[in-house]
Amino acid sequence: NAGVTQTPKFQVLKTGQSMTLQCAQDMNHEYMSWYRQDPGMGLRLIHYSVGAGITDQGEVPNGYNVSRSTTEDFPLRLLSAAPSQTSVYFCASSSLRERGGRETQYFGPGTRLLVL
Amino acid sequence: KQEVTQIPAALSVPEGENLVLNCSFTDSAIYNLQWFRQDPGKGLTSLLLIQSSQREQTSGRLNASLDKSSGRSTLYIAASQPGDSATYLCAVKGVGKPDKLIFGTGTRLQVFP
Repeated sequence: NAGVTQTPKFQVLKTGQSMTLQCAQDMNHEYMSWYRQDPGMGLRLIHYSVGAGITDQGEVPNGYNVSRSTTEDFPLRLLSAAPSQTSVYFCASSSLRERGGRETQYFGPGTRLLVL
Repeated sequence: KQEVTQIPAALSVPEGENLVLNCSFTDSAIYNLQWFRQDPGKGLTSLLLIQSSQREQTSGRLNASLDKSSGRSTLYIAASQPGDSATYLCAVKGVGKPDKLIFGTGTRLQVFP
Protein backbone atom coordinates (compact mmCIF):
# COMPACT_ATOMS: atom_id res chain seq x y z
CA ASN A 1 0.00 0.00 0.00
CA ALA A 2 1.68 3.19 -1.19
CA GLY A 3 -1.03 5.38 0.38
CA VAL A 4 -1.29 8.85 -1.16
CA THR A 5 1.43 9.77 -3.65
CA GLN A 6 2.14 13.15 -5.21
CA THR A 7 4.36 14.22 -8.10
CA PRO A 8 6.42 16.24 -8.58
CA LYS A 9 7.98 16.95 -5.19
CA PHE A 10 9.23 20.34 -6.28
CA GLN A 11 8.51 22.56 -9.27
CA VAL A 12 9.56 26.01 -10.46
CA LEU A 13 7.30 27.82 -12.91
CA LYS A 14 7.34 31.16 -14.64
CA THR A 15 4.31 33.43 -14.40
CA GLY A 16 1.72 32.42 -16.97
CA GLN A 17 2.87 28.83 -17.38
CA SER A 18 0.47 25.97 -16.76
CA MET A 19 1.10 22.67 -15.07
CA THR A 20 -0.61 19.69 -13.47
CA LEU A 21 0.10 18.38 -10.00
CA GLN A 22 -0.53 14.68 -9.79
CA CYS A 23 -2.16 12.84 -6.90
CA ALA A 24 -2.96 9.16 -6.64
CA GLN A 25 -4.17 6.86 -3.87
CA ASP A 26 -4.40 3.07 -3.75
CA MET A 27 -6.79 2.73 -0.81
CA ASN A 28 -9.99 2.84 -2.87
CA HIS A 29 -11.03 6.04 -1.08
CA GLU A 30 -14.03 7.88 -2.41
CA TYR A 31 -13.03 11.27 -1.04
CA MET A 32 -10.01 13.18 -2.33
CA SER A 33 -9.03 16.79 -1.83
CA TRP A 34 -6.35 19.39 -2.46
CA TYR A 35 -5.05 21.85 0.13
CA ARG A 36 -2.47 24.57 -0.03
CA GLN A 37 -0.33 25.47 2.96
CA ASP A 38 1.03 28.97 3.40
CA PRO A 39 3.00 30.40 6.34
CA GLY A 40 0.70 31.80 9.03
CA MET A 41 -2.47 30.69 7.21
CA GLY A 42 -2.65 26.98 7.83
CA LEU A 43 -4.01 24.59 5.24
CA ARG A 44 -6.82 25.80 3.04
CA LEU A 45 -9.06 23.62 0.91
CA ILE A 46 -8.85 24.24 -2.85
CA HIS A 47 -11.08 21.56 -4.41
CA TYR A 48 -12.48 18.23 -3.38
CA SER A 49 -14.21 15.20 -4.84
CA VAL A 50 -16.56 12.62 -3.30
CA GLY A 51 -16.19 10.17 -6.16
CA ALA A 52 -15.34 9.70 -9.81
CA GLY A 53 -17.00 12.37 -11.92
CA ILE A 54 -17.91 14.57 -8.94
CA THR A 55 -15.90 17.63 -7.89
CA ASP A 56 -16.65 20.74 -5.88
CA GLN A 57 -14.94 23.94 -4.82
CA GLY A 58 -13.32 24.59 -1.48
CA GLU A 59 -12.26 27.87 0.12
CA VAL A 60 -9.69 29.03 -2.46
CA PRO A 61 -10.56 27.51 -5.87
CA ASN A 62 -9.68 30.44 -8.16
CA GLY A 63 -6.88 29.69 -10.61
CA TYR A 64 -7.17 25.92 -10.20
CA ASN A 65 -9.06 23.19 -12.03
CA VAL A 66 -9.64 19.57 -11.06
CA SER A 67 -11.19 16.49 -12.58
CA ARG A 68 -11.84 12.98 -11.26
CA SER A 69 -12.07 10.44 -14.03
CA THR A 70 -11.01 7.50 -11.83
CA THR A 71 -11.26 6.66 -8.14
CA GLU A 72 -7.47 6.58 -7.84
CA ASP A 73 -6.39 9.87 -9.43
CA PHE A 74 -7.19 13.50 -8.67
CA PRO A 75 -4.94 15.91 -10.62
CA LEU A 76 -4.81 19.63 -9.86
CA ARG A 77 -4.26 21.97 -12.79
CA LEU A 78 -2.85 25.46 -12.61
CA LEU A 79 -4.16 27.23 -15.68
CA SER A 80 -1.89 30.30 -15.69
CA ALA A 81 0.51 30.32 -12.77
CA ALA A 82 0.86 33.46 -10.65
CA PRO A 83 3.38 34.28 -7.88
CA SER A 84 0.47 34.16 -5.39
CA GLN A 85 0.23 30.43 -6.11
CA THR A 86 3.67 29.83 -4.64
CA SER A 87 2.86 27.38 -1.87
CA VAL A 88 3.06 23.80 -0.70
CA TYR A 89 0.25 21.67 -2.06
CA PHE A 90 -1.10 18.62 -0.28
CA CYS A 91 -3.44 15.98 -1.57
CA ALA A 92 -5.54 13.99 0.89
CA SER A 93 -7.97 11.11 0.76
CA SER A 94 -10.39 9.31 3.04
CA SER A 95 -13.06 6.69 2.98
CA LEU A 96 -16.70 7.74 3.02
CA ARG A 97 -17.85 4.22 3.79
CA GLU A 98 -17.38 4.61 7.53
CA ARG A 99 -19.97 6.70 9.26
CA GLY A 100 -20.14 8.27 12.65
CA GLY A 101 -17.22 10.61 12.15
CA ARG A 102 -14.59 7.89 12.01
CA GLU A 103 -13.07 8.91 8.69
CA THR A 104 -9.36 9.58 9.04
CA GLN A 105 -7.76 11.69 6.32
CA TYR A 106 -4.50 10.51 4.80
CA PHE A 107 -2.15 13.08 3.32
CA GLY A 108 0.46 12.87 0.60
CA PRO A 109 4.03 14.21 1.08
CA GLY A 110 3.30 17.49 -0.70
CA THR A 111 4.47 19.39 -3.77
CA ARG A 112 6.49 22.57 -3.31
CA LEU A 113 5.68 25.07 -6.04
CA LEU A 114 7.60 28.26 -6.71
CA VAL A 115 6.19 30.68 -9.27
CA LEU A 116 8.61 33.36 -10.45
CA LYS B 1 -17.79 30.60 9.50
CA GLN B 2 -15.71 28.08 11.43
CA GLU B 3 -12.37 29.35 12.68
CA VAL B 4 -9.75 27.22 14.39
CA THR B 5 -7.08 28.71 16.64
CA GLN B 6 -4.07 27.02 18.19
CA ILE B 7 -2.15 28.36 21.14
CA PRO B 8 0.73 28.62 21.63
CA ALA B 9 2.19 29.08 18.16
CA ALA B 10 5.53 27.72 19.34
CA LEU B 11 6.73 25.83 22.38
CA SER B 12 10.19 24.75 23.51
CA VAL B 13 10.51 22.33 26.42
CA PRO B 14 13.18 20.06 27.94
CA GLU B 15 12.93 16.35 27.42
CA GLY B 16 10.68 14.52 29.90
CA GLU B 17 8.14 17.28 30.45
CA ASN B 18 4.43 16.68 30.13
CA LEU B 19 2.84 19.29 27.91
CA VAL B 20 -0.51 20.47 26.63
CA LEU B 21 -1.32 21.91 23.23
CA ASN B 22 -4.55 23.85 22.83
CA CYS B 23 -7.04 24.09 19.98
CA SER B 24 -10.21 26.18 19.97
CA PHE B 25 -12.98 26.42 17.39
CA THR B 26 -15.83 28.89 16.99
CA ASP B 27 -18.68 26.64 15.77
CA SER B 28 -19.53 23.74 18.07
CA ALA B 29 -21.48 21.91 15.33
CA ILE B 30 -18.61 19.64 14.38
CA TYR B 31 -18.55 16.10 13.05
CA ASN B 32 -15.12 15.27 14.44
CA LEU B 33 -11.76 16.78 15.36
CA GLN B 34 -8.41 15.45 14.25
CA TRP B 35 -4.88 16.08 15.50
CA PHE B 36 -2.05 15.81 12.98
CA ARG B 37 1.71 15.89 13.19
CA GLN B 38 3.82 17.53 10.48
CA ASP B 39 7.59 17.15 10.31
CA PRO B 40 9.60 19.81 8.44
CA GLY B 41 9.24 19.41 4.69
CA LYS B 42 6.87 16.47 5.08
CA GLY B 43 3.18 15.72 4.82
CA LEU B 44 0.68 15.36 7.65
CA THR B 45 0.32 12.25 9.77
CA SER B 46 -2.94 11.68 11.62
CA LEU B 47 -2.40 11.16 15.35
CA LEU B 48 -5.87 11.03 16.87
CA LEU B 49 -9.44 11.49 15.71
CA ILE B 50 -12.19 12.33 18.19
CA GLN B 51 -15.77 11.91 17.12
CA SER B 52 -18.26 14.57 18.21
CA SER B 53 -19.87 12.09 20.62
CA GLN B 54 -16.55 11.30 22.35
CA ARG B 55 -14.71 13.22 25.03
CA GLU B 56 -11.21 11.83 24.58
CA GLN B 57 -8.95 9.49 22.64
CA THR B 58 -5.62 7.99 23.64
CA SER B 59 -2.71 6.59 21.67
CA GLY B 60 0.46 5.73 23.56
CA ARG B 61 1.79 8.88 25.21
CA LEU B 62 -0.81 11.04 23.49
CA ASN B 63 -4.23 11.92 24.86
CA ALA B 64 -6.65 14.24 23.12
CA SER B 65 -9.76 15.62 24.76
CA LEU B 66 -12.77 17.35 23.25
CA ASP B 67 -15.21 19.77 24.88
CA LYS B 68 -17.63 20.58 22.10
CA SER B 69 -19.81 22.96 24.10
CA SER B 70 -16.87 25.23 24.92
CA GLY B 71 -15.24 24.77 21.51
CA ARG B 72 -11.97 23.39 22.82
CA SER B 73 -9.65 20.45 22.41
CA THR B 74 -6.34 19.70 24.06
CA LEU B 75 -3.53 17.38 23.06
CA TYR B 76 -1.60 16.07 26.03
CA ILE B 77 1.87 14.65 25.41
CA ALA B 78 3.34 12.72 28.32
CA ALA B 79 7.07 12.42 28.97
CA SER B 80 8.08 14.37 25.88
CA GLN B 81 11.04 13.21 23.79
CA PRO B 82 13.22 14.97 21.19
CA GLY B 83 11.50 12.81 18.55
CA ASP B 84 8.24 14.58 19.37
CA SER B 85 9.63 17.79 17.85
CA ALA B 86 7.30 18.72 15.01
CA THR B 87 4.38 20.99 14.20
CA TYR B 88 1.03 19.82 15.58
CA LEU B 89 -2.12 20.76 13.74
CA CYS B 90 -5.73 20.38 14.74
CA ALA B 91 -8.55 20.29 12.24
CA VAL B 92 -12.33 20.13 12.56
CA LYS B 93 -14.91 18.72 10.20
CA GLY B 94 -18.23 20.54 10.22
CA VAL B 95 -21.59 18.82 10.27
CA GLY B 96 -23.04 18.34 6.80
CA LYS B 97 -19.74 19.02 5.05
CA PRO B 98 -18.21 15.77 3.82
CA ASP B 99 -14.58 15.68 4.93
CA LYS B 100 -13.97 19.42 4.52
CA LEU B 101 -11.43 20.03 7.23
CA ILE B 102 -10.79 23.46 8.71
CA PHE B 103 -7.25 23.65 10.05
CA GLY B 104 -5.61 25.69 12.73
CA THR B 105 -2.21 27.25 12.02
CA GLY B 106 -0.41 24.80 14.28
CA THR B 107 1.88 24.69 17.29
CA ARG B 108 5.57 24.23 16.54
CA LEU B 109 7.04 22.05 19.29
CA GLN B 110 10.71 21.66 20.05
CA VAL B 111 11.83 19.18 22.71
CA PHE B 112 15.50 19.55 23.60
CA PRO B 113 17.65 16.92 25.32
